[in-house]
Amino acid sequence: GAVVSQHPSWVICKSGTSVKIECRSLDFQATTMFWYRQFPKQSLMLMATSNEGSKATYEQGVEKDKFLINHASLTLSTLTVTSAHPEDSSFYICSARPSHDATDTQYFGPGTRLTVL
Amino acid sequence: AQSVAQPEDQVNVAEGNPLTVKCTYSVSGNPYLFWYVQYPNRGLQFLLKYITGDNLVKGSYGFEAEFNKSQTSFHLKKPSALVSDSALYFCAVRDTRGNTPLVFGKGTRLSVIA
Repeated sequence: GAVVSQHPSWVICKSGTSVKIECRSLDFQATTMFWYRQFPKQSLMLMATSNEGSKATYEQGVEKDKFLINHASLTLSTLTVTSAHPEDSSFYICSARPSHDATDTQYFGPGTRLTVL
Repeated sequence: AQSVAQPEDQVNVAEGNPLTVKCTYSVSGNPYLFWYVQYPNRGLQFLLKYITGDNLVKGSYGFEAEFNKSQTSFHLKKPSALVSDSALYFCAVRDTRGNTPLVFGKGTRLSVIA
């Protein structure tokens, strides 16, 4: 149980285009999902907290107009990188917290590697 | 503010020997503590967590961790390391008070040598 999927697993795009990444909780409902960014050989940097049915909460320094987050259902959150540039190239990881779990155990997706040319 | 420290960037251990990956934390209230493992180009896999109760927590793949409140530590251990345990390990903490997000350590790379 507690499986989280991400799609796509990798994407290459041209500078200036937008890319959408999906995060799905496959066997549980998740009121809250999280989006992280990980640079090579570094820890995870929390970008935003996504709450179903409401606006995402962005961490300081993360541009909300560039990284659009939508959490339209209890099993799906999407991250759209708008007008992507090479500096946006990174490994993006989502996680989901089961709605019934008060201890904040998060289950992570396999990640999406974005390369912007 | 809450924080996590993983003092070792790299830990090397011979296969069959016991391993320890260190983690210390700082929170205002009481902690929820977690260990995750990451294999190359993959997301994080949940290993174990401490919420309350017994200080020794047993998790997946034979790993365990001991919560030590006086030393504010939550070291990850395994009695006998396997080559397949080689990966990046992250400790994370969340304060039980308030709706704060998980805070991750910078990670420790474990290499188990045959």
